[in-house]
Amino acid sequence: DQQVKQNSPSLSVQEGRISILNCDYTNSMFDYFLWYKKYPAEGPTFLISISSIKDKNEDGRFTVFLNKSAKHLSLHIVPSQPGDSAVYFCAATGSGAGSYQLTFGKGTKLSVIP
Amino acid sequence: NAGVMQNPRHLVRRRGQEARLRCSPMKGHSHVYWYRQLPEEGLKFMVYLQKENIIDESGMPKERFSAEFPKEGPSILRIQQVVRGDSAAYFCASSRHQGDGEKLFFGSGTQLSVL
Repeated sequence: DQQVKQNSPSLSVQEGRISILNCDYTNSMFDYFLWYKKYPAEGPTFLISISSIKDKNEDGRFTVFLNKSAKHLSLHIVPSQPGDSAVYFCAATGSGAGSYQLTFGKGTKLSVIP
Repeated sequence: NAGVMQNPRHLVRRRGQEARLRCSPMKGHSHVYWYRQLPEEGLKFMVYLQKENIIDESGMPKERFSAEFPKEGPSILRIQQVVRGDSAAYFCASSRHQGDGEKLFFGSGTQLSVL
């Protein structure tokens, strides 16, 4: 029972263009969402997050959009750079004391072509 | 400023053997979390420990798996009598306080292969 779904295993984008990574969730108790980035042979590193009280959060080239009614979020990277090539994981949790329990999607491998 | 250190990076075991995975948290961090990533899957929470205490083991299989975080030394994830289905990447994360996801710092993982 996958509660967080990333339906695109891979994505290729030209350098300078926009990368859009999508994520869907099914658990209505989730109210905090995070994106992690993972390079080969390294652990995931936190990228950006959004609380369910917002519909957008921006940090430099990275913007996350949340559509609660559709249970859908997306990560936009503009402009994409070759160094952004990595696996991106969407994760979700309920707020409060148990918020260390992240539920991850399977990841999307982004390749940015120079 | 060392990050979360996990060793070994790769561990090969035959079915029935024991696997011990080690995790040293970041300096100043006293909270440790273990996650497992099975092939073609996302990371899944296993257990949360503070020094000498297991706080939440709700994600850990009831049999063959155990975890500890002693007063001195690294946290250990122990898998007894390994089976092929235990083959996975095991990630440890640490935080200074009981952390939300932003404040979890992950190690590079241990890739366990069971022959």
